[in-house]
Amino acid sequence: DGGITQSPKYLFRKEGQNVTLSCEQNLNHDAMYWYRQDPGQGLRLIYYSQIVNDFQKGDIAEGYSVSREKKESFPLTVTSAQKNPTAFYLCASSPTGGRQPQHFGDGTRLSIL
Amino acid sequence: DAKTTQPNSMESNEEEPVHLPCNHSTISGTDYIHWYRQLPSQGPEYVIHGLTSNVNNRMASLAIAEDRKSSTLILHRATLRDAAVYYCILSGHTGTASKLTFGTGTRLQVTL
Repeated sequence: DGGITQSPKYLFRKEGQNVTLSCEQNLNHDAMYWYRQDPGQGLRLIYYSQIVNDFQKGDIAEGYSVSREKKESFPLTVTSAQKNPTAFYLCASSPTGGRQPQHFGDGTRLSIL
Repeated sequence: DAKTTQPNSMESNEEEPVHLPCNHSTISGTDYIHWYRQLPSQGPEYVIHGLTSNVNNRMASLAIAEDRKSSTLILHRATLRDAAVYYCILSGHTGTASKLTFGTGTRLQVTL
């Protein structure tokens, strides 16, 4: 089945370490997104990418970095500069054409040890 | 981005219709209205979207006011599986990407 795969489901990080969250899609979508969700809150956009080798900052990009070397993959690195990284991270993708529905993965829950 | 306002929570009995309201008085002429829902510890799931006309699909119906300042998501027969947080979102056009701004949504409880 086509879909979005996020791994791992749970991730623990020591303070001061960078950590990379994986997101892979086989839907042949051009656009991909990363969101952060805190308890009881809605999703906030971190970064998005419309095509390979291109990406833009969302509303809360500080302390995060991304790459888009392949259409299928959009990994997110949470750097040590992110002061409060504990959250639920969601990856999504959508077809081109703007305003197309986004398809979401099941998320990665990141916790600080 | 234009903002939406939704009730924090609603309750429904199983097998009854549910009407989830959303106000978006600052909507622009090119904004689409999207609805997503999210179950605990899962990613959001697309439900429906529309621009001006009412829309129907296998999951729900979307009724859009004539002045587009409000809309209502209609679940025709609620089931326990429909218990989730429902988000009403106005899409901002950003080239080929659909930029969504999520609020806190409406938590729908469905009881027997």
